[in-house]
Amino acid sequence: KQEVTQIPAALSVPEGENLVLNCSFTDSAIYNLQWFRQDPGKGLTSLLLIQSSQREQTSGRLNASLDKSSGRSTLYIAASQPGDSATYLCAVGRRTYKYIFGTGTRLKVLA
Amino acid sequence: DTEVTQTPKHLVMGMTNKKSLKCEQHMGHRAMYWYKQKAKKPPELMFVYSYEKLSINESVPSRFSPECPNSSLLNLHLHALQPEDSALYLCASSQPPLNSGRHVDTQYFGPGTRLTVL
Repeated sequence: KQEVTQIPAALSVPEGENLVLNCSFTDSAIYNLQWFRQDPGKGLTSLLLIQSSQREQTSGRLNASLDKSSGRSTLYIAASQPGDSATYLCAVGRRTYKYIFGTGTRLKVLA
Repeated sequence: DTEVTQTPKHLVMGMTNKKSLKCEQHMGHRAMYWYKQKAKKPPELMFVYSYEKLSINESVPSRFSPECPNSSLLNLHLHALQPEDSALYLCASSQPPLNSGRHVDTQYFGPGTRLTVL
């Protein structure tokens, strides 16, 4: 059974810091991996999608990498801002239509 | 338009009530999903519709009944719910896999319906 874990569970950093969020999965047989952001009580916003054949994806200040063989993905956020405060979720695409979500990292960026 | 809308935003119901949650998208997506999310937990998949047919049912109790009347709409009918069913219910949509591939595409989520069962 695929298990997806995110470390740390919570993170508080001062504004301007570069930071790394980690996502680990137990079964490397994945189709893709997606990073989402969720604000309190709201829906999920897709940030980046990495196909299994790709190593990384970039969008603005965000960079996500994927290492299937080691079962890891990282989300790098450059020059963090208070507006980045949210819960970040990774989700592993196992087969058609099915995503398994990670446990999430709650990020707080202090002004 | 990359928006998925959900109504109502909030819903409070008793255990004997019958209510429905609604979801709509106009992105031409032919796969639509219902997720349940408890506080401080990740979303859990409940149902998936592909081309208006039920594709996945994750062993959800029968008091939850999904319906996909057309390619843009997805409903979740609720009946005889329990207090532990209180949660945020999220709808999502995506393009289904191409004939040559079988991987999940980017999912677009709605804002959710906050359900409280008394």
